[in-house]
Amino acid sequence: QVQLVQSGAEVKKPGASVKVSCKVSGYTLTELSMHWVRQAPGKGLEWMGGFDPEDGETIYAQKFQGRVTMTEDTSTDTAYMELSSLRSEDTAVYYCATVAYPQNWFDPWGQGTLVTVSS
Amino acid sequence: SYVLTQPPSVSVAPGKTARITCGGNNIGSKSVHWYQQKPGQAPVLVIYDDSDRPSGIPERFSGSNSGNTATLTISRVEAGDEADYYCQVWDSSGWVFGGGTKLTVL
Repeated sequence: QVQLVQSGAEVKKPGASVKVSCKVSGYTLTELSMHWVRQAPGKGLEWMGGFDPEDGETIYAQKFQGRVTMTEDTSTDTAYMELSSLRSEDTAVYYCATVAYPQNWFDPWGQGTLVTVSS
Repeated sequence: SYVLTQPPSVSVAPGKTARITCGGNNIGSKSVHWYQQKPGQAPVLVIYDDSDRPSGIPERFSGSNSGNTATLTISRVEAGDEADYYCQVWDSSGWVFGGGTKLTVL
């Protein structure tokens, strides 16, 4: 089955960028639709964006457009999420999660990566 | 954008039935998925396509969806069911989550 292993916790200063990785095993990245979801401390889940196989492109939630970039390295089956111009409100756990097109639920999820933005 | 509304909290005694609702405009026309999240852990899918259970999820978990409300039902609640639960749908604007419901087992 699919397993997702994410990179470790990060501490960044305001204005910096962070890049989180998500390594896929059990399947190849080309067989999956990878998405990213974040969760601020004590808050709910927030979809950030992901690959839409129907359009063949990555789509981003409007809130993050212009600030987030999601990429994939199919040679290593690793997905990346880079968030720029970080602010304190971006402090959150960032999860990668897969969607098996044409279904639209997330399963499985990575273990999460805590990104702390602090001066 | 599409909005999903969940009650912030639900409490239930062990052995009883818990019902967690997820409200949305004509949500009955969409496929609803539910996730369980325990403290410090990643979410886990417990119901997909309104009422189907992934392998490994107990039969005590069931779901329904009609009109403007989807419902996750947990029968014979156990202490280990205490967690946050989130509903989710796909909409033309993207993937949408409800605000989450904290289930407390008394």
